[in-house]
Amino acid sequence: DSGVTQTPKHLITATGQRVTLRCSPRSGDLSVYWYQQSLDQGLQFLIQYYNGEERAKGNILERFSAQQFPDLHSELNLSSLELGDSALYFCASSVEGGGLDNEQFFGPGTRLTVL
Amino acid sequence: GEDVEQSLFLSVREGDSSVINCTYTDSSSTYLYWYKQEPGAGLQLLTYIFSNMDMKQDQRLTVLLNKKDKHLSLRIADTQTGDSAIYFCAERGNQGGKLIFGQGTELSVKP
Repeated sequence: DSGVTQTPKHLITATGQRVTLRCSPRSGDLSVYWYQQSLDQGLQFLIQYYNGEERAKGNILERFSAQQFPDLHSELNLSSLELGDSALYFCASSVEGGGLDNEQFFGPGTRLTVL
Repeated sequence: GEDVEQSLFLSVREGDSSVINCTYTDSSSTYLYWYKQEPGAGLQLLTYIFSNMDMKQDQRLTVLLNKKDKHLSLRIADTQTGDSAIYFCAERGNQGGKLIFGQGTELSVKP
């Protein structure tokens, strides 16, 4: 158990819908990262927050947005869902925002299926 | 740019050594990582190596880094069936703390 929790574990929804994925980092970690794992794209970095502020951005679609709240939990919002958004979404957390020794601990993931 | 490449499959017999290879493109990478993903599970950090090191050993795991060729390898000694999983190589990106992952190598260990 990494100490990172993600809810829900599974999500099934229809095209065009909007969903929210939630992540609670390990106690004391200030940084949260979101990654998407799909068969065709592999494991891709989406976005990073550090202490409530956006720190780095990857291949995140405009239909997707995220935020980190004052209690440091984070939410990833996916809207106007398409079939291709079906994937496993991982959250990771680390103590720092990008220092030299910045081990990331991964949650169990949320499996999103868009029908 | 940032890119990490791995071979997709490796099959070994129980008790043999496994060697999983990875190449990366960003010469400024400070840390390189190996993660393990078991079926239906998240990613577990196995080990990492700092870019000024050539080798790191941790029990059955040995990481070799050839910085000139931008080549990283993970050797698992005395491979067991419980080692069957997907192994990801990752480098630290140039923004924040993001990780750039390879496609993953599926290791199959046959008894």
